[in-house]
Amino acid sequence: DAGVTQSPTHLIKTRGQQVTLRCSPKSGHDTVSWYQQALGQGPQFIFQYYEEEERQRGNFPDRFSGHQFPNYSSELNVNALLLGDSALYLCASSSPGLALWDTGELFFGEGSRLTVL
Amino acid sequence: AQSVTQPDIHITVSEGASLELRCNYSYGATPYLFWYVQSPGQGLQLLLKYFSGDTLVQGIKGFEAEFKRSQSSFNLRKPSVHWSDAAEYFCAVGAIMEYGNKLVFGAGTILRVKS
Repeated sequence: DAGVTQSPTHLIKTRGQQVTLRCSPKSGHDTVSWYQQALGQGPQFIFQYYEEEERQRGNFPDRFSGHQFPNYSSELNVNALLLGDSALYLCASSSPGLALWDTGELFFGEGSRLTVL
Repeated sequence: AQSVTQPDIHITVSEGASLELRCNYSYGATPYLFWYVQSPGQGLQLLLKYFSGDTLVQGIKGFEAEFKRSQSSFNLRKPSVHWSDAAEYFCAVGAIMEYGNKLVFGAGTILRVKS
């Protein structure tokens, strides 16, 4: 049973460019969340997708956008990259439900490490 | 707003010694609390979780955590540390939002194990 898979694992971009990160959730999961983990910090919630819609968003600018496909996979897009966007981007999947912890845990992928030069 | 504080950035323990990692949270309602571990180049793995009931929670790899409401704490413990436990540990509180939910993480504690 494959867990959460993310691609690419590493990438380097320059300021002003755009990047797309991809995530396939764990089998049976239909809710995908994205987190940003800057160096030396804990992960911070970006947004959550369910039924192909963004249903909750954290404190991130509109440069950060996402999409969820009918097969539940998801993309994170970041436009106009800044040096401060350098981080590990983690995707997590879970079963649906308003309180995810009622239905199980959050499963994380290994992340995509983005370096912005 | 929810927040989590992990006071120790780094901790070094000898192999075989006991371990306690501290976590304090701020949350208005009954908290849902988690401990995750992250090894280099890896994603986050859930060690244990507290939703309700018994305040002493058992997890994987021999870890346990105790929820103390009066102290707003959820400290992680292990009686005997193994070299393979060296990793970064994150405490998190679950937050139910209007249309979804999220985890609020602390900044993490890096555990080093010396032989």
